[in-house]
Amino acid sequence: GAVVSQHPSWVICKSGTSVKIECRSLDFQATTMFWYRQFPKQSLMLMATSNEGSKATYEQGVEKDKFLINHASLTLSTLTVTSAHPEDSSFYICSARDRFGYGDPDTQYFGPGTRLTVL
Amino acid sequence: QKEVEQNSGPLSVPEGAIASLNCTYSDRVSQSFFWYRQYSGKSPELIMSIYSNGDKEDGRFTAQLNKASQYVSLLIRDSQPSDSATYLCAVNPIGGNTPLVFGKGTRLSVIA
Repeated sequence: GAVVSQHPSWVICKSGTSVKIECRSLDFQATTMFWYRQFPKQSLMLMATSNEGSKATYEQGVEKDKFLINHASLTLSTLTVTSAHPEDSSFYICSARDRFGYGDPDTQYFGPGTRLTVL
Repeated sequence: QKEVEQNSGPLSVPEGAIASLNCTYSDRVSQSFFWYRQYSGKSPELIMSIYSNGDKEDGRFTAQLNKASQYVSLLIRDSQPSDSATYLCAVNPIGGNTPLVFGKGTRLSVIA
């Protein structure tokens, strides 16, 4: 149980284009999803917290107009990197909570991540 | 600022030994605590959670929590080379839908 998927697993795009990453909770309802970014050999960096049906809360220093987050349903959140540039190349990971399931409501379950390379 | 501190390592242990990973946290009212494992190039995966003072065992893993000392540890018995990874300690400081606060991780290397 508590499986989170991400699509695509990797993407290469040209500078200036937009890229959409999907995060799905496969077997539970995720009222809250979290988006992280991780550069090589660095720690996880929280980008934003996404609640179903409401606007995402962005961490300080994260541009909300560049990283568009939509959490339209209890099983899907999307992160769109708009006008991507090489410095946006990173490993993007989503995480979800199952607050209504039978397991631990505080646990965050992670998706497998999406590796973005901007040329 | 809620903080979770871990020694970055690397912590090197021989195969078959016990690996001991430690974590301290700053927010005294924190209620739930987690250990995740992250292999290089992969996303974190949950090892176990702990809520109450004392020990919690799951297979070769034992989590230990001491709220008075604001200290969490993870013991890995009979360490295997496949246990070589970065281990992340995470704390839920106030509950609700706030994100876990993660430490920077300890890199463990199990030498065959």
